[in-house]
Amino acid sequence: GAVVSQHPSWVICKSGTSVKIECRSLDFQATTMFWYRQFPKQSLMLMATSNEGSKATYEQGVEKDKFLINHASLTLSTLTVTSAHPEDSSFYICSASDRGRGDTQYFGPGTRLTVL
Amino acid sequence: QQQVKQSPQSLIVQKGGISIINCAYENTAFDYFPWYQQFPGKGPALLIAIRPDVSEKKEGRFTISFNKSAKQFSLHIMDSQPGDSATYFCAASENDYKLSFGAGTTVTVRA
Repeated sequence: GAVVSQHPSWVICKSGTSVKIECRSLDFQATTMFWYRQFPKQSLMLMATSNEGSKATYEQGVEKDKFLINHASLTLSTLTVTSAHPEDSSFYICSASDRGRGDTQYFGPGTRLTVL
Repeated sequence: QQQVKQSPQSLIVQKGGISIINCAYENTAFDYFPWYQQFPGKGPALLIAIRPDVSEKKEGRFTISFNKSAKQFSLHIMDSQPGDSATYFCAASENDYKLSFGAGTTVTVRA
């Protein structure tokens, strides 16, 4: 149980285009989803927290207009990187938790974004 | 500013040996301390977690030791195997909400 999927697993795009990454909780309802980015050989950096049906809360220094997060249902959250640039190239990872069942965060497999 | 300090940055252990990773925190409001294992190109996977009301928790070859007064906790990997070679992250949260991660420890188990 507690499986989280991400799609796509990797994406390459041209500078200036937008990319959407999906995060799904497959066998539980995620009241809260988190989005992280991770640079090579570094730790996970929290970008934003989203609760189903409400606006995401962004961490300090994260541009909300560049990283659009939508948590429209209890099983799906999306991260859209708008007008992507090479410096946005990173490993993006989502996690999901069900606050009614103990709050453990279950992580997705990650999405490797490369912006050319 | 990292709220959880993790050491060492990397370690090498022989097969069958013990790997020990240490973490320290300052925020006394933290009440949940999980450890995650991450393989290259994959997302982190929850390994084991502890709350401050116990001093030790064991699951298979993995043990967390927790010292509330010292604000430290550690992960022990007993009988280390080559398949344990990965990056390990400690983390902490307050009221089971946002996780603060340590910097990570890369463990290499030599056969």
